[in-house]
Amino acid sequence: KQEVTQIPAALSVPEGENLVLNCSFTDSAIYNLQWFRQDPGKGLTSLLLIQSSQREQTSGRLNASLDKSSGRSTLYIAASQPGDSATYLCAGLIYNQGGKLIFGQGTELSVKP
Amino acid sequence: DTGVSQNPRHKITKRGQNVTFRCDPISEHNRLYWYRQTLGQGPEFLTYFQNEAQLEKSRLLSDRFSAERPKGSFSTLEIQRTEQGDSAMYLCASSSQGGNSPLHFGNGTRLTVT
Repeated sequence: KQEVTQIPAALSVPEGENLVLNCSFTDSAIYNLQWFRQDPGKGLTSLLLIQSSQREQTSGRLNASLDKSSGRSTLYIAASQPGDSATYLCAGLIYNQGGKLIFGQGTELSVKP
Repeated sequence: DTGVSQNPRHKITKRGQNVTFRCDPISEHNRLYWYRQTLGQGPEFLTYFQNEAQLEKSRLLSDRFSAERPKGSFSTLEIQRTEQGDSAMYLCASSSQGGNSPLHFGNGTRLTVT
């Protein structure tokens, strides 16, 4: 059974810092891994999707990596801003299971001005 | 692209009542998903449709839960005889067919059962 874990559960940093959020998964039979952002009381916004054949994806100040062999993904945020404050969730899509994403519990990020 | 729309945004109901939520996906998306999220946790998969066919249901979805997507467009999720443990955010998402199509989520319906 695929399990997805995110560490830390919460993180507080001063504005301008570069930071890394971690995501680990137990089953390497992963089709892709997606990172989402969730603001309080809102739905999820897709940030990056890394296919199993890829090592990383970049969008602006965000860079996500995927290492299937070690069962890990990281989300790197450069030059953090207060507007980056939100909960960040990673989710793995498992082979032959349609569109069922398995989510981690999220990392709540707070960027202090 | 008007995004995924969910109604209502909030629902407060008394235990034992039935509730129904609606989801309108992005129009060209043929896949539609329902997830449930409780405070401090990631979303948990409930069920998904490809067009009008319901292809998978989680064991979390008890007999009191039913979902439909009659014409392959909007979907409804009904909970019968609600219990306090049903209180959660119910999220709908849609995507194009293909494993590498990202999911687009709505803002959810927050259910509170008193």
